[in-house]
Amino acid sequence: AQSVSQHNHHVILSEAASLELGCNYSYGGTVNLFWYVQYPGQHLQLLLKYFSGDPLVKGIKGFEAEFIKSKFSFNLRKPSVQWSDTAEYFCAVNRVYRGSTLGRLYFGRGTQLTVWP
Amino acid sequence: DGGITQSPKYLFRKEGQNVTLSCEQNLNHDAMYWYRQDPGQGLRLIYYSQIVNDFQKGDIAEGYSVSREKKESFPLTVTSAQKNPTAFYLCASSIVSGNEQFFGPGTRLTVL
Repeated sequence: AQSVSQHNHHVILSEAASLELGCNYSYGGTVNLFWYVQYPGQHLQLLLKYFSGDPLVKGIKGFEAEFIKSKFSFNLRKPSVQWSDTAEYFCAVNRVYRGSTLGRLYFGRGTQLTVWP
Repeated sequence: DGGITQSPKYLFRKEGQNVTLSCEQNLNHDAMYWYRQDPGQGLRLIYYSQIVNDFQKGDIAEGYSVSREKKESFPLTVTSAQKNPTAFYLCASSIVSGNEQFFGPGTRLTVL
């Protein structure tokens, strides 16, 4: 079965620190990859996505993620976090077969990021 | 203003009662989804529908039922058979299944 692992359950950083959140998936074929963010009291929203092309993708609010196919990873990074980045972050994967996406997304369990001012 | 609406925001029910959560979208999306969010467990898929009049079970469908009679609506019924129904329920939609999903604000269900 498809699985998505986010190894960091809770990350605590001070403002201006660099951030890297890990995401690994288990499907061996072609994938579409997503990072979602849920700010306190707000809707879950898309941070960035990778479908094809340059494996380094940039998203909103200075976030970026790198797809490393050989490692089945799609880690999220930000060079300098702010207090307003405090939120829960979810990685998600969709399997692609013969050029078509297959139904659902598979979500990781989420990483809670707390940034201290 | 396009988006996904879920109502109500908070819902209280007595144990043993069925309850239906509403989800409506005006994004003209084909696919719709229901998730359950519990602390530390991420988003778990209950049901999803790739097109009108069709739906599939997700990972935790037991004790839940859905219908998809209209493109814009995907109501979720939490039945009395669901052993632990108290949770935060999220509805989402995407233009086609497997693509980027857009989420509603959620309904927090508390069963007393």
